[in-house]
Amino acid sequence: DQQVKQNSPSLSVQEGRISILNCDYTNSMFDYFLWYKKYPAEGPTFLISISSIKDKNEDGRFTVFLNKSAKHLSLHIVPSQPGDSAVYFCAATTQGGSEKLVFGKGTKLTVNP
Amino acid sequence: DVKVTQSSRYLVKRTGEKVFLECVQDMDHENMFWYRQDPGLGLRLIYFSYDVKMKEKGDIPEGYSVSREKKERFSLILESASTNQTSMYLCASTRLVMSNQPQHFGDGTRLSIL
Repeated sequence: DQQVKQNSPSLSVQEGRISILNCDYTNSMFDYFLWYKKYPAEGPTFLISISSIKDKNEDGRFTVFLNKSAKHLSLHIVPSQPGDSAVYFCAATTQGGSEKLVFGKGTKLTVNP
Repeated sequence: DVKVTQSSRYLVKRTGEKVFLECVQDMDHENMFWYRQDPGLGLRLIYFSYDVKMKEKGDIPEGYSVSREKKERFSLILESASTNQTSMYLCASTRLVMSNQPQHFGDGTRLSIL
C-alpha cells in the first residue's frame, strides 16, 4: 500500500513560469513533510519541509502548501529555472518517531529555456 | 555542512559474491539509513540504525544485512548478491533528538550485479 503518492511521473514547464508538483498521502499519522530534489548520479538534497501545524512554508522561490483535510501537499517553484530540472521526491514522517521517511516515487521536472 | 560519504560511486560484482557498501558521516548523527532507488519505485528503506550496534529492518530487508560498529559508519552487506539487487544504493543520516531534522544523503553507489 503506497502511503505517499506522486501521481505525475513527469512535468514540463517553460522557464520563468510556475512549476507545481503534487503529493498525496494516506496515513493520517504523518505530521511532517519534506521535499527532496535529485539530480542524476547524485544523492537527494533536502529542499523544504512543512509541519502539520502550518499550511504554508516559503523559502525563496520554493513554497510548500499543506492541505491536511485533503491529505495533499504541493511544491510551487516560481519562477522556474532550467537548473531546477531534476527529480523531486515528496516524503512524510511522524514527529517524535523513528525519523523513518516514507517517499513517493518522484516527479521528473523539466524546465525548458 | 553535513558530509555523508559512500565509499564507491560505481561497483560491479558477480552473482553469489558477498558485497559490502560503506557509508561514513561526519556530523555525529545518531540515525543512519540505507535505501535503494529504482526507476518508477522511488526510494525504499532497507535498514536503519538508531545507535551503535542497533539496527531495524525497513521495508525491503530481504537479502541484506547491516553493521554499525562505530557511530559514524554504517555498512550494508549483500550476503549473496543476485541480479535483482542491481540498483542505486543511498545512505543517509540525521539527528535522533530533533524530529524535524532532514535526512542528509550521500551521492549513492550504483551497483551492478552480473
